[in-house]
Amino acid sequence: QQQVKQSPQSLIVQKGGISIINCAYENTAFDYFPWYQQFPGKGPALLIAIRPDVSEKKEGRFTISFNKSAKQFSLHIMDSQPGDSATYFCAASKRGSQGNLIFGKGTKLSVKP
Amino acid sequence: KAGVTQTPRYLIKTRGQQVTLSCSPISGHRSVSWYQQTPGQGLQFLFEYFSETQRNKGNFPGRFSGRQFSNSRSEMNVSTLELGDSALYLCASRDRAYNEQFFGPGTRLTVL
Repeated sequence: QQQVKQSPQSLIVQKGGISIINCAYENTAFDYFPWYQQFPGKGPALLIAIRPDVSEKKEGRFTISFNKSAKQFSLHIMDSQPGDSATYFCAASKRGSQGNLIFGKGTKLSVKP
Repeated sequence: KAGVTQTPRYLIKTRGQQVTLSCSPISGHRSVSWYQQTPGQGLQFLFEYFSETQRNKGNFPGRFSGRQFSNSRSEMNVSTLELGDSALYLCASRDRAYNEQFFGPGTRLTVL
C-alpha cells in the first residue's frame, strides 16, 4: 500500500515556466510534509517543508500548497530554470516517528532552455 | 558545519557476503536514519537510531541491521547479500528537536 502517491512521474517544462508536482496521502496521522530535490549521484536535499496547520509556504521560487481536507499537497516551482532539472520527492512523517520519512516515487523534472 | 558523510561511497560485493556501511551525522545531530533507494521501490526507510537505541524499523528482513555509537556515528550491516540488495544506501541525520532530515551522498552497493 503506497501511503504517499506522487504525480506525474516525469515533467518537461520550458525555461521560465511553472513546474507543478502533486502528492496525495492517506494517513491522517502525518503531520510533516517535506520536499526533497535529488541530482544524479547525490543524496536528496531538503527544499521546503510544511505542517498541516498552514495552507501555503513560500521560499524563493518554491511554494508548497497544502489541502488538508483533500489530503493533498503540491510543489510549485516558479520561473523554472535548467538548473532545476532533477528528481523531486515528496514525503511525509508522523509525530513520534519523525525519523521515518515515507516518500513518494519521485518526479523527474526537465527544464528545457 | 560539515554535512553528513558516508563511507565508502562505492562498494562491490558478491552474493552471500556481508557488508558494513558507515555514516557520520552532522555535528550535534543525534538521530540517524537509514534508507534504501532503488529504481523500482524508490526510497524506503530501514531504521532510525537515537542515543544508541533503535527507535523505528522499516519493513526489511533481519539481514539488515544497524547500530549507533556514543559519538552518534552509525553503521548498518547487511548479511548474506542478495542481488536485490543492490541499491543506494542513504543516511540522514536530524536534530531530534526538529523534523528536518539531512541526507548524505549515499553508498552505492552493487551485488554480483
